[in-house]
Amino acid sequence: NAGVTQTPKFRILKIGQSMTLQCTQDMNHNYMYWYRQDPGMGLKLIYYSVGAGITDKGEVPNGYNVSRSTTEDFPLRLELAAPSQTSVYFCASNPGQPRDQPQHFGDGTRLSIL
Amino acid sequence: AQSVTQLDSHVSVSEGTPVLLRCNYSSSYSPSLFWYVQHPNKGLQLLLKYTSAATLVKGINGFEAEFKKSETSFHLTKPSAHMSDAAEYFCVVSFGGYQKVTFGTGTKLQVIP
Repeated sequence: NAGVTQTPKFRILKIGQSMTLQCTQDMNHNYMYWYRQDPGMGLKLIYYSVGAGITDKGEVPNGYNVSRSTTEDFPLRLELAAPSQTSVYFCASNPGQPRDQPQHFGDGTRLSIL
Repeated sequence: AQSVTQLDSHVSVSEGTPVLLRCNYSSSYSPSLFWYVQHPNKGLQLLLKYTSAATLVKGINGFEAEFKKSETSFHLTKPSAHMSDAAEYFCVVSFGGYQKVTFGTGTKLQVIP
């Protein structure tokens, strides 16, 4: 029972490099989300998706891109890494229906930009 | 606009004593509220949720929370703290659209032996 799986768990990037954070869920959930967590700030929504082919911006989307070609996968792309993107990134999913279901989280990707 | 305020960034209790983690919310609608726990280097795990049924909600590991509409509060309690409860706790409000949520800034719970 894998749930939400994120890879890699840790990564160090140089400024200007690009990378993709992977997220896969095996619960057939329609809704998926990407958050970043910074100390003392809680979690901030970067992007979300309500189904394959449908994505939308969250609170802090600048510097990131997403795609959703399948129900299972929701990768997050950093095109030009900047030090401000040093953070812990969490992917989450939600069935969508019935309403007010909790989100299921992966274990996170810890990313440092140097 | 929806918001959630966790009133304490750090709480320290002795093992075996009660735990109280405070959360106040603001919502234009009847909210759904959640408490999550995060252990070091881990993702967030659901402790309990309130979705307009009973105002006193029981969760896992002996935690419970009471929804008080008049006080716009959803405080998390546990009668007796255990060392394994040391973690960061997040109060979360759902504002319904596509199940998006707003997180509080978190409360770190320290349990002293």
